[in-house]
Amino acid sequence: GEDVEQSLFLSVREGDSSVINCTYTDSSSTYLYWYKQEPGAGLQLLTYIFSNMDMKQDQRLTVLLNKKDKHLSLRIADTQTGDSAIYFCAERNTGFQKLVFGTGTRLLVSP
Amino acid sequence: DTAVSQTPKYLVTQMGNDKSIKCEQNLGHDTMYWYKQDSKKFLKIMFSYNNKELIINETVPNRFSPKSPDKAHLNLHINSLELGDSAVYFCASSQDLGRAGARETQYFGPGTRLLVL
Repeated sequence: GEDVEQSLFLSVREGDSSVINCTYTDSSSTYLYWYKQEPGAGLQLLTYIFSNMDMKQDQRLTVLLNKKDKHLSLRIADTQTGDSAIYFCAERNTGFQKLVFGTGTRLLVSP
Repeated sequence: DTAVSQTPKYLVTQMGNDKSIKCEQNLGHDTMYWYKQDSKKFLKIMFSYNNKELIINETVPNRFSPKSPDKAHLNLHINSLELGDSAVYFCASSQDLGRAGARETQYFGPGTRLLVL
């Protein structure tokens, strides 16, 4: 089955690193994505990782994938107040032409 | 310039009415999607079209009917609106379907906020 879980809230101070975690159940997932949603806005694709990779880095963003434990994380270095948003992980598998989204993690960055 | 656009951005209507939401993408993508985001921010796919053909139809009431006049447009018509239909509806598109690689990455529109009174 498909189930993607995330913790609901994360609060950090400006300049710290943020780590947002995601677990999924579908072992046939091919791509895993991170999207950002700012208040009242749509979803912005941040980054994605293919399931045969362990890590992907893109500027301040680092994605780590532990396929054995079906655990995905997004690390944001030097977190800024503008990073405050809801972050969704999503999985896509080869069998179904759709994204299954996690519950979203609300990140609050305080000055 | 907007890659995936939706109209209207806000829609407030009475229970029982029929309404449509429009989506257009100028990315040249072959596949388009409709997602529903409820009040708890949970996102779930509703429909997907590839080259104007319906390929995903999740467990959605028959009151919801998608229509794709061409590859660049996917509209959503909702009959007999109910209170529980209140949500944000997102349209998305991707270049390809079922192929490996970034071509299947989905790009989302800004959302249509529907409120049924």
